[in-house]
Amino acid sequence: RKEVEQDPGPFNVPEGATVAFNCTYSNSASQSFFWYRQDCRKEPKLLMSVYSSGNEDGRFTAQLNRASQYISLLIRDSKLSDSATYLCVVNGDDKIIFGKGTRLHILP
Amino acid sequence: DTEVTQTPKHLVMGMTNKKSLKCEQHMGHRAMYWYKQKAKKPPELMFVYSYEKLSINESVPSRFSPECPNSSLLNLHLHALQPEDSALYLCASSQETGVAGWNEQFFGPGTRLTVL
Repeated sequence: RKEVEQDPGPFNVPEGATVAFNCTYSNSASQSFFWYRQDCRKEPKLLMSVYSSGNEDGRFTAQLNRASQYISLLIRDSKLSDSATYLCVVNGDDKIIFGKGTRLHILP
Repeated sequence: DTEVTQTPKHLVMGMTNKKSLKCEQHMGHRAMYWYKQKAKKPPELMFVYSYEKLSINESVPSRFSPECPNSSLLNLHLHALQPEDSALYLCASSQETGVAGWNEQFFGPGTRLTVL
């Protein structure tokens, strides 16, 4: 099993829809979890940290499921500007591991 | 100031050149990172500095040489690179690496490097 896995997509979603991605990780000792978004030819930008209790920031909700070893990102009422690649980041044991990213296209 | 700056934005160099990439942050962060990113791939960690000391070197070839002159600055010295080293080089910083898990990292805009 790969250390961090994401569905590469692309997810083609109409504007206003809800979309969810998962990211699975193999190391049960992983300690910190993050979602970043990256636009084409730009740097990754932190979207959310993922806390054990789950957290929400506007239209975005992140969840952590330690038992099944995955994190999720839910985007409600998607906007055209949400089109990007979403990277999950998992770290622990002195390792920082990026998933390969999930590409999201919001369609007008 | 929540910005990480990097210079230059673009760099073209020959295989015999020596050049340096620079990164600066003024957020008081004590951890700084260098990543390499190829097209359509995720960033790959190269080096981590924690409190101005190199704490992680991910088996990076010696033609890449990092330097942390002070807590705000991070350099990456390049020498005798190969064409396959062409990539986007990203710098990031975080409050610290931490023992309870890593803190959020903030990335600079990157230097797009082309090796001829």
